Amino acid sequence: EVQLVESGGGLVQPGRSLRLSCAASGFTFDDYAMHWVRQAPGKGLEWVSGISWNSGSIGYADSVKGRFTISRDNAKNSLYLQMNSLRAEDMALYYCAKGLYPRGQLAPDDAFDIWGQGTMVTVSS
Amino acid sequence: SSELTQDPAVSVALGQTVRITCQGDSLRSYYASWYQQKPGQAPVLVIYGKNNRPSGIPDRFSGSSSGNTASLTITGAQAEDEADYYCNSRDSSGNRVVFGGGTKLTVL
Repeated sequence: EVQLVESGGGLVQPGRSLRLSCAASGFTFDDYAMHWVRQAPGKGLEWVSGISWNSGSIGYADSVKGRFTISRDNAKNSLYLQMNSLRAEDMALYYCAKGLYPRGQLAPDDAFDIWGQGTMVTVSS
Repeated sequence: SSELTQDPAVSVALGQTVRITCQGDSLRSYYASWYQQKPGQAPVLVIYGKNNRPSGIPDRFSGSSSGNTASLTITGAQAEDEADYYCNSRDSSGNRVVFGGGTKLTVL
């Protein structure tokens, strides 16, 4: 079964750090780009960051650039998000999502075909 | 504010056809993908590419695009289609992914 399981969320004070993890199973992890998408309570989806299959291409939303770092360990089938200098506006459910297209295939869009159930990050003093 | 614009809410009578739109300059160069999200659940991909459905998505869901507007059409809406729908694509620079603000679909 294709599955993504996020972990690492919790309550953190403003200005502190947190590291999220996403464990992948059921597919060839190192064939696909991976992404983090977040959703604040009662709000819409916001793309946070994405990383190519070999970590050669990385992107961030302006709202997190310079504070968050995405990484992956293909040997461990795992995706990570290091979040530093957390703010109240970073409070959200963080989803890990798999890119649809495998490496080597031209991607006409940014479809995410598999999503985890999310891990909640609460930023509060 | 998002670079992809969606109507906040749309309603449709049971069994009728509804179109949900997504507008943005980047859609002239990139296809949109569409996601369905029900309360308390993760998003589900329903349309990608020119007009492709992942396995398990009913054929009443279809996609189209014209100029700077992408559309998701549900032909013969069912009660279980009531959900939030999001589009995503690239931003105007082409370097980042963006989501539309979402459309809440009510099936009457």
